[in-house]
Amino acid sequence: GAGVSQTPSNKVTEKGKYVELRCDPISGHTALYWYRQSLGQGPEFLIYFQGTGAADDSGLPNDRFFAVRPEGSVSTLKIQRTERGDSAVYLCASSFGIRDTQETQYFGPGTRLLVL
Amino acid sequence: QKEVEQNSGPLSVPEGAIASLNCTYSDRGSQSFFWYRQYSGKSPELIMSIYSNGDKEDGRFTAQLNKASQYVSLLIRDSQPSDSATYLCAVNSRSGGSNYKLTFGKGTLLTVNP
Repeated sequence: GAGVSQTPSNKVTEKGKYVELRCDPISGHTALYWYRQSLGQGPEFLIYFQGTGAADDSGLPNDRFFAVRPEGSVSTLKIQRTERGDSAVYLCASSFGIRDTQETQYFGPGTRLLVL
Repeated sequence: QKEVEQNSGPLSVPEGAIASLNCTYSDRGSQSFFWYRQYSGKSPELIMSIYSNGDKEDGRFTAQLNKASQYVSLLIRDSQPSDSATYLCAVNSRSGGSNYKLTFGKGTLLTVNP
């Protein structure tokens, strides 16, 4: 596709439920990032994939959060036992993956998660 | 803890004026600096990147970087109402391994009044 796509655009769930958020990066991009943005805050890094492997998962807040990218393209962010504090916009970004800090990250439209 | 600081605003300027947005960062090892624009309810969109000290101009936008002062700024000339958005400063620091994550400030809300 032309840009990063994310589904669903909105997700409402109940406390304690399990959710999956999907990200489809720009074709040819080997690097993929997940960020979380709370109201009034900048995006906060969660996890970075280079290909199929998680190169840096230092931003995942706890073990309820997990992400996979089994074929090096689409990624799924999984949240178990959701809590109200997990409510935020989850942003996915991708880049070419040339392992350079100058590389531009392109963001998707985000998934707005609301935990009731 | 790497930090990126921005004035949250709101910054209000009249149409046609120069808007000046500022950002400071704590990590001296930071190498790359980005300004993203985010309209309400939308995702961040890259508008400028800068990697070396000095000024970089692109149309109405000028990014300025001073690594000694750990300061980066964005100037918007001839501000238009369509520039009204939140401007996010982001820093990319490689601190060993494969660390290419962006650290963002909270953003500055800019309002351009017609």
